[in-house]
Amino acid sequence: ETGVTQTPRHLVMGMTNKKSLKCEQHLGHNAMYWYKQSAKKPLELMFVYNFKEQTENNSVPSRFSPECPNSSHLFLHLHTLQPEDSALYLCASSQGRTGGRGEKLFFGSGTQLSVL
Amino acid sequence: KNQVEQSPQSLIILEGKNCTLQCNYTVSPFSNLRWYKQDTGRGPVSLTIMTFSENTKSNGRYTATLDADTKQSSLHITASQLSDSASYICVVSGKNNDMRFGAGTRLTVKP
Repeated sequence: ETGVTQTPRHLVMGMTNKKSLKCEQHLGHNAMYWYKQSAKKPLELMFVYNFKEQTENNSVPSRFSPECPNSSHLFLHLHTLQPEDSALYLCASSQGRTGGRGEKLFFGSGTQLSVL
Repeated sequence: KNQVEQSPQSLIILEGKNCTLQCNYTVSPFSNLRWYKQDTGRGPVSLTIMTFSENTKSNGRYTATLDADTKQSSLHITASQLSDSASYICVVSGKNNDMRFGAGTRLTVKP
């Protein structure tokens, strides 16, 4: 176990649904991330939070809405998604000493999302 | 063009054989390079980190090399096992706090 837990592991939703992905880390880290992983493509950084503050939004469409209530929890709220949003969504954490970037990332197992 | 290019895209080898995965990057100024292993259905797990002054680093049967002059890194796997079947991802961090991911090499080890 990496110390980062994501739920649910699998999610199927229609384009008009609203759902949320949850991430929790038990490592005492201060930086948390959302990544999107599509087949045969590099991981795409979506959001970065450092000490609960959003430090990066990588031009992500507004249908993805992150929430970080504390340093241990991270959510990704989904609404009116498109079929092309189907992918593996990975949460990660790091110590957060350097603003988070360049540090060793600890990943959860991801949520495999299918948008119908 | 991605600043981190990995090759080959996929590789099939027989159990017990060695293999080498390549990572070329253009990220500059360079801070560090990490190799991650991603098993199917799991998130990536860090294998090793290379900094500017390091040429070679081993982690069990995994040996990473770095040539900062040519901006190339390799991951050599010795005496492969079935459990080595996974995707291997190269991640390069720059001193400007940017972090670039390669698309990964999908390794399959067959009995």
